[in-house]
Amino acid sequence: DAGVIQSPRHEVTEMGQEVTLRCKPISGHNSLFWYRQTMMRGLELLIYFNNNVPIDDSGMPEDRFSAKMPNASFSTLKIQPSEPRDSAVYFCASSLDRVETQYFGPGTRLLVL
Amino acid sequence: AQSVAQPEDQVNVAEGNPLTVKCTYSVSGNPYLFWYVQYPNRGLQFLLKYITGDNLVKGSYGFEAEFNKSQTSFHLKKPSALVSDSALYFCARNDYKLSFGAGTTVTVRA
Repeated sequence: DAGVIQSPRHEVTEMGQEVTLRCKPISGHNSLFWYRQTMMRGLELLIYFNNNVPIDDSGMPEDRFSAKMPNASFSTLKIQPSEPRDSAVYFCASSLDRVETQYFGPGTRLLVL
Repeated sequence: AQSVAQPEDQVNVAEGNPLTVKCTYSVSGNPYLFWYVQYPNRGLQFLLKYITGDNLVKGSYGFEAEFNKSQTSFHLKKPSALVSDSALYFCARNDYKLSFGAGTTVTVRA
């Protein structure tokens, strides 16, 4: 299996622009997670999907952030408009079930200027 | 309250010496505990987990961890560290979502 796939790996954009991060989970996994990693806050869960349905989005910072999972093999995290404080590494992870081992993608390093 | 805590920001050991990375967890319910490792500019890699059963859990790359209920600890250990073990290590608790510790930077010197 190719593991969790994320794109792009790096993104540099200007403040105010829309940013879309993409994730393909491991085939057969029914849980998908979006995390953000920063030096100041460490690793934070943003949102969690189970069977393509958002279960917990309490970690989403504000309305500028949105996430979708239109099918079992694809998810997006969108930031609109982006701000410099959104600069971070964003990870996608998937698991067979919500308490099973989560497998992480390589991450998207986002820099908002 | 924090689900897991990693009391050491950094651990430095010489190659060939034992390596221990500490983790304690909050007492509530039955903890599902995990260790992950992150190499520079990479994603997190799963090392091992404790769900139930044997308190000594063996994982990838020669690592193991011991679940200690009386001390609420889940320390990661390796009998003989390698320079290639230098990385950032995270302890995590899974209450359907992973709550990570702050991470411990391990440096193994040759």
